[in-house]
This record gives sequence, C-alpha cells and structure tokens, in this order.
Amino acid sequence: AQSVTQLDSHVSVSEGTPVLLRCNYSSSYSPSLFWYVQHPNKGLQLLLKYTSAATLVKGINGFEAEFKKSETSFHLTKPSAHMSDAAEYFCVVTQGAQKLVFGQGTRLTINP
Amino acid sequence: GAVVSQHPSWVICKSGTSVKIECRSLDFQATTMFWYRQFPKQSLMLMATSNEGSKATYEQGVEKDKFLINHASLTLSTLTVTSAHPEDSSFYICSASSSGNTEAFFGQGTRLTVV
Repeated sequence: AQSVTQLDSHVSVSEGTPVLLRCNYSSSYSPSLFWYVQHPNKGLQLLLKYTSAATLVKGINGFEAEFKKSETSFHLTKPSAHMSDAAEYFCVVTQGAQKLVFGQGTRLTINP
Repeated sequence: GAVVSQHPSWVICKSGTSVKIECRSLDFQATTMFWYRQFPKQSLMLMATSNEGSKATYEQGVEKDKFLINHASLTLSTLTVTSAHPEDSSFYICSASSSGNTEAFFGQGTRLTVV
C-alpha cells in the first residue's frame, strides 16, 4: 500500500528566505506524486505533480520539487517565501485508479 | 485546469436533519468522483469513491447508510449526510477526475456545522 509522511507539521520562515517542506513516500510501484496547497476554509489547489517524467518538477508560484527514488523523497522548495505562501501544504501519492493518499499536512507560516 | 464546483460552501443544520452537498464538474466529464472529510487541522480522509452509474465504494469505517452518495451523471455527484449529529460537523471536499487522468480536481469544500 502507498503512504506519505510529511516530516514537519509546522514550518515557519521569514519572508524572502527559502522554504523547504519535506515529504517521504512509500509505494510498491512507480508512484505519481503531487503537492497541493490549501488556504483556510478553501479547497485544494495543485502546485505541481510528478508522473515519471523529469525528476525536477516546476510548479506554480515559484515552487518546485525533486523526486529522489533512492531517498523515497519528494520535498517541496521555493527560493524566496512570500507572505501569500502562508497556507497548509499536502504531499499526496496515488494509490492506483486515481485514488489519492494524503500526508498529514504541513502548515507554513511566513514571518514579516 | 478543469473546474469543480461544490455547493453549498457552508451550511448550518439542526441535529437530526439531512443535508445534501453537490459536486459538479463544469468543463469535463468526471467518470470518478471522490468525497473527503477533513477535521480541523488534520489531513483529508477519503470517505468514498463513486463512479458514474455505479454504487459508491466506501472506505472502512464510513457508514454508507449515513453518508449517501449518488453519481447519476458524468458531471454531478451528491453527498447526503442523513440524520446529522454534531460529530458530523466537518469540512467536506469532493474531487473529480476523468478516465485515464491521474490528476484530480478539487471543489472548494463545504463547511458543515450541525447544531
């Protein structure tokens, strides 16, 4: 079975500094991996996805993630945080047939 | 990207009543729709998967007689919370995908409060 572990429940960074949100996955076959962002009381917006093409995936709003099979990781990064990046972030792996398995979520706080 | 509309965005109901939540795919045919539940400051938990024209497949621990799911067309799925109780208060989110597509598109979510 597929599973996802987000290593930090809460990350706090200063505006303008880099962001790193960590995600490790477990999958019995080549997975598809996603990062979604959720603002308070809102639905989920797709940031980026990996589907066995390039291992470095660029997404919206300056985010990117690198798929590392040897480390079973899919960490999300951004060079410079913006106040509008404050939100909840979910790392997600597919479990076949479009079924998504969500990580526990990481709340990102941006300090002025 | 594709658009999924969920309605209502929030609802307050009395204990013992039923509430229906709609999930519509506006510009694509959603062969599969998923319903999730999210408690405050927690992740999304899959409740059920529905394929158009078929009975929904419920996850373990989800009462199918309490959470009725209908997916009668390729653009609409509904979740009805029957005989709602305060412990059913939660954020409910649907997602939809088309055949052969690994990406799912999410609705805006529905905040249900049972008083």
